[in-house]
Amino acid sequence: DQQVKQNSPSLSVQEGRISILNCDYTNSMFDYFLWYKKYPAEGPTFLISISSIKDKNEDGRFTVFLNKSAKHLSLHIVPSQPGDSAVYFCAATFGNEKLTFGTGTRLTIIP
Amino acid sequence: GAGVSQSPSNKVTEKGKDVELRCDPISGHTALYWYRQSLGQGLEFLIYFQGNSAPDKSGLPSDRFSAERTGGSVSTLTIQRTQQEDSAVYLCASSYRTGGQPQHFGDGTRLSIL
Repeated sequence: DQQVKQNSPSLSVQEGRISILNCDYTNSMFDYFLWYKKYPAEGPTFLISISSIKDKNEDGRFTVFLNKSAKHLSLHIVPSQPGDSAVYFCAATFGNEKLTFGTGTRLTIIP
Repeated sequence: GAGVSQSPSNKVTEKGKDVELRCDPISGHTALYWYRQSLGQGLEFLIYFQGNSAPDKSGLPSDRFSAERTGGSVSTLTIQRTQQEDSAVYLCASSYRTGGQPQHFGDGTRLSIL
């Protein structure tokens, strides 16, 4: 039962363009969502989060959008940089406890 | 150190052996979590400790898996009678308070069962 889904295993984007990573969830109890970035042989690094009471949160080049009715969130990175190449995980929680993760999207930024 | 520390970084062992994985959370963080990532999969929750409360063990895949947290700080994840399907990267995370987000992750222990 995959409650958090990232349907695109990989994505390639030209440097300087916008990267859009998508995530869908099925559990309507989720009330907090996070994006993590992971480099090989390292642990996930927190990027940005959003509460279910909001529909947008922005931090520098990163913006997360939440559409509760569609149970969908997305991460926008603009402009994309070579250092953004990594695996991105979407995660969700309710009651602010354990995280439920998607399977990740490998983002490759093409110079 | 400033971050979550895990040891060993790599562990190779024979099927049937017991293994212990260690996690040192960020100082002052009261919540500690264990996850694992199998090849090509997302991170899967295993167990969660919060202060002196009973741990949430709902993610442990079998009774061969156990974990403890001594003194509210260091945690050890033990896998008894390891099987090949236990091969994965085991990740530890900590957060500041009950239900605090975000969780901060260590670099994991890559466990390989021969």
